[in-house]
Amino acid sequence: KAGVTQTPRYLIKTRGQQVTLSCSPISGHRSVSWYQQTPGQGLQFLFEYFSETQRNKGNFPGRFSGRQFSNSRSEMNVSTLELGDSALYLCASSLIASGTGVEQYFGPGTRLTVT
Amino acid sequence: AQTVTQSQPEMSVQEAETVTLSCTYDTSESDYYLFWYKQPPSRQMILVIRQEAYKQQNATENRFSVNFQKAAKSFSLKISDSQLGDAAMYFCASFNAGGTSYGKLTFGQGTILTVHP
Repeated sequence: KAGVTQTPRYLIKTRGQQVTLSCSPISGHRSVSWYQQTPGQGLQFLFEYFSETQRNKGNFPGRFSGRQFSNSRSEMNVSTLELGDSALYLCASSLIASGTGVEQYFGPGTRLTVT
Repeated sequence: AQTVTQSQPEMSVQEAETVTLSCTYDTSESDYYLFWYKQPPSRQMILVIRQEAYKQQNATENRFSVNFQKAAKSFSLKISDSQLGDAAMYFCASFNAGGTSYGKLTFGQGTILTVHP
């Protein structure tokens, strides 16, 4: 079974631009969540999607948005980039089922640098 | 709100020895899971072990085992027969399987593990 894939792996953008990151979950996983990892703030939850619906959102400004498609693939968008948005963005693919509980696996991440 | 605390910023161990990483958590949810993830220099987050909160039996995965003390809200990771490849940042995390924060992983600050040959 293929793992979680994220594209692109590396990205360099200029302040004020916008960026879209993509995540393809493990086949059969319908939940996708996004996390931002920075040296100062650690790992912070951005949002979680299930069956194309956002079920939960972290404490991030409205510049951060996301969506999920019918095939469970997810995208996150950051508009009007700021220097502080430089981070590793991790996508997690989850399967939550009675009997098996929770399985959650991460993609390799997208490293975003804002200059 | 959930919180996860890892009080050991750094730990070191000799190859083939045993090391224990500490983690405490706080949650008001009754339905939750606990995880340990490993993040090597590649930054890939790798699932090490999972514990269902409703299970009393401690989870084990080969050389990795946990000591889950639900009343004390403690969830430590024991690595036996440490190998050089175990060197990484280790994160403890809790996952809400109910309530308003459903589906959210809350991470600790991480513990850097160094393995000496």
